[in-house]
Amino acid sequence: EIVLTQSPGTLSLSPGERATLSCRTSQRIISNSLAWYQQKPGQAPRLLMYGASNRATGIPDRFSGSGSATDFTLSISRLEPEDFAVYSCHQYAASPGTFGQGTKVEL
Amino acid sequence: QVQLVESGGGVVQPGRSLRLSCAASGFTFSNYGMHWVRQAPGKGLEWVAVISYDGSSEDYADSVKGRFTVSRDNSKNTVYLQMNSLRPEDTALYYCAKDLPCDLWGQGTLVTVSS
Repeated sequence: EIVLTQSPGTLSLSPGERATLSCRTSQRIISNSLAWYQQKPGQAPRLLMYGASNRATGIPDRFSGSGSATDFTLSISRLEPEDFAVYSCHQYAASPGTFGQGTKVEL
Repeated sequence: QVQLVESGGGVVQPGRSLRLSCAASGFTFSNYGMHWVRQAPGKGLEWVAVISYDGSSEDYADSVKGRFTVSRDNSKNTVYLQMNSLRPEDTALYYCAKDLPCDLWGQGTLVTVSS
């Protein structure tokens, strides 16, 4: 199976700062079939990005995704208070679909 | 209202069985593949199973293959996860999710396997 490694494990930032999250995969991801999810305590994951760089419906444009092959990045241009959460990447190019272990963005 | 609502979780002894349900509303259920994804306490997400839009194909994580079975009833807009021979390591919050990538998630149902 394809292993996803996210870094850093925790990112300590302040509102207004830029966040850069990394997701590296153990194999090349075809068709950029990589998604990012946001999860807040006690809530279900929420789809942010798909196809590596496409924002899901209703996601503000301060969120952006980039990358290809084995290296992917989620960026949040200016952190809002509601953005402090755990972010997970997910490859859906090959079965089994696999998730990264998550990056916590904390205040 | 577009939503998924899971039910059927609970506390069960190792080796016993449990069936989870996920009721969908607000979208054309029969058009989409459906997934089960679980999250152990304090851990990351783990994909468990998928069933195709018409129920003709299924796939499972190696960790549950041979023990779990996913099915669906498109007339009831519901997907199921039959979990047999449960183990303590199956303890988790179980989510159902729509499509790939998973663009709609339920709130999850908690399964605790403990003697």
